[in-house]
Amino acid sequence: AQKVTQAQTEISVVEKEDVTLDCVYETRDTTYYLFWYKQPPSGELVFLIRRNSFDEQNEISGRYSWNFQKSTSSFNFTITASQVVDSAVYFCALRKGTSGTYKYIFGTGTRLKVLA
Amino acid sequence: DVKVTQSSRYLVKRTGEKVFLECVQDMDHENMFWYRQDPGLGLRLIYFSYDVKMKEKGDIPEGYSVSREKKERFSLILESASTNQTSMYLCASSSPGGGYTFGSGTRLTVV
Repeated sequence: AQKVTQAQTEISVVEKEDVTLDCVYETRDTTYYLFWYKQPPSGELVFLIRRNSFDEQNEISGRYSWNFQKSTSSFNFTITASQVVDSAVYFCALRKGTSGTYKYIFGTGTRLKVLA
Repeated sequence: DVKVTQSSRYLVKRTGEKVFLECVQDMDHENMFWYRQDPGLGLRLIYFSYDVKMKEKGDIPEGYSVSREKKERFSLILESASTNQTSMYLCASSSPGGGYTFGSGTRLTVV
C-alpha cells in the first residue's frame, strides 16, 4: 500500500528562523514521483516541486530546499530564513510512476505559522 | 496564465438538495480530479477522469457522481447533500505524467 506521513500537524516559528517540514512515504514501486504543494490562506494549492525516484539530488530554489533520501523514504522540505508569507499548509504527495496511473496520495499536511 | 476555475468559492445548501460543483480548465489537460479536504485527513480523492466521458472512482466516491462531457469541464454532483459532505472541495487537472494544477476550492456547507 502507498502512504504519505506528515507527522508534524502544526509548526510555529519566528520570522527568519529556518524550518524543516518532514515527509515520510511508503511504496513498493521502484518508479514513483514525490511532490510538495503549498496551500496559502486563499485556498489554492500551489505546486512547489516534483522529484522522481531515480533522482536523489537535493534541490535548492531560493530559500527553499528539498532533501530526498530513498534509504529512509523521506522527502523533507526546508525553508531558510522564513518569512510571514511562508505561512500556509504544506502537503507532500506521492504518485506512481507507471503510465496510466494518475492518482496522488497526499499526506495530511503541515500548517506552518511564521510569526513576525 | 493557466487556470483551473471552480465556479463557486462558497456554497450553502440544504440537506437533500442536489448540488453541482463545476470545474473548468484551460490547459487542454486530459486528467481531471475531485478531492475533498478535511482537517486532519488531508486531501482525499473522490473521482477522477482521464478522458472525456471516462471516470473512475477514487477513495471516497460514496454519495457523489461526476460528469465529463467536454474535455475542459469536470462536474461533481452530490445527489442528495448531507451534513457530512460539508467540506472544502478541490478540483485539479494534469497532463499525463505532469503535476497537478489546482483550483481555488469550493467551501460547501450543508445545513
